[in-house]
Amino acid sequence: AQSVTQLGSHVSVSEGALVLLRCNYSSSVPPYLFWYVQYPNQGLQLLLKYTTGATLVKGINGFEAEFKKSETSFHLTKPSAHMSDAAEYFCAVSEGSSNTGKLIFGQGTTLQVKP
Amino acid sequence: DVKVTQSSRYLVKRTGEKVFLECVQDMDHENMFWYRQDPGLGLRLIYFSYDVKMKEKGDIPEGYSVSREKKERFSLILESASTNQTSMYLCASSPTGYYGYTFGSGTRLTVV
Repeated sequence: AQSVTQLGSHVSVSEGALVLLRCNYSSSVPPYLFWYVQYPNQGLQLLLKYTTGATLVKGINGFEAEFKKSETSFHLTKPSAHMSDAAEYFCAVSEGSSNTGKLIFGQGTTLQVKP
Repeated sequence: DVKVTQSSRYLVKRTGEKVFLECVQDMDHENMFWYRQDPGLGLRLIYFSYDVKMKEKGDIPEGYSVSREKKERFSLILESASTNQTSMYLCASSPTGYYGYTFGSGTRLTVV
């Protein structure tokens, strides 16, 4: 069965520092991978996704993620954190072969950005 | 701009009440989903629907039911609300295939 593990429920960085949020997945079929961001009291917003092709995926707000099949990872990075990046981030993997579009979500990582 | 609209942002209901949470999407998506979100537990799937009148249980369906009479609308029903159903409820939709979800803004339900 597919699963997602986000390492670290809370990550704290200083403004201007590198952001690295870790995501590892387990999938029995080639995965589709997603990162979502959730600002307080809002729904989730798609940051970026990997389906096929280029393994380095660029998203909104300067974020990018790299699909590494050998490491079963899809870590999210941003070179320089901004105060507005403080939010909760969710990694998700496609459920499998059912084609319902169903995603399996990680537990989430809260990013704190210190001035 | 494509949208998933949840009827209420905040809702307070009494124990034992029947509660309806409504979700409407304007993207002609086949799939619709209801999740609840609780601190430390992430997103847990309650029910999903891949077509009109079709539904499947998710990971935590107990105490909930759903209705999808029209393609654009997916309703979550709490038959008899209980305090342990106090949570943030998120609706999402997606087309067939893995394009990712579009989420609504969420409904924060408090059962007293």
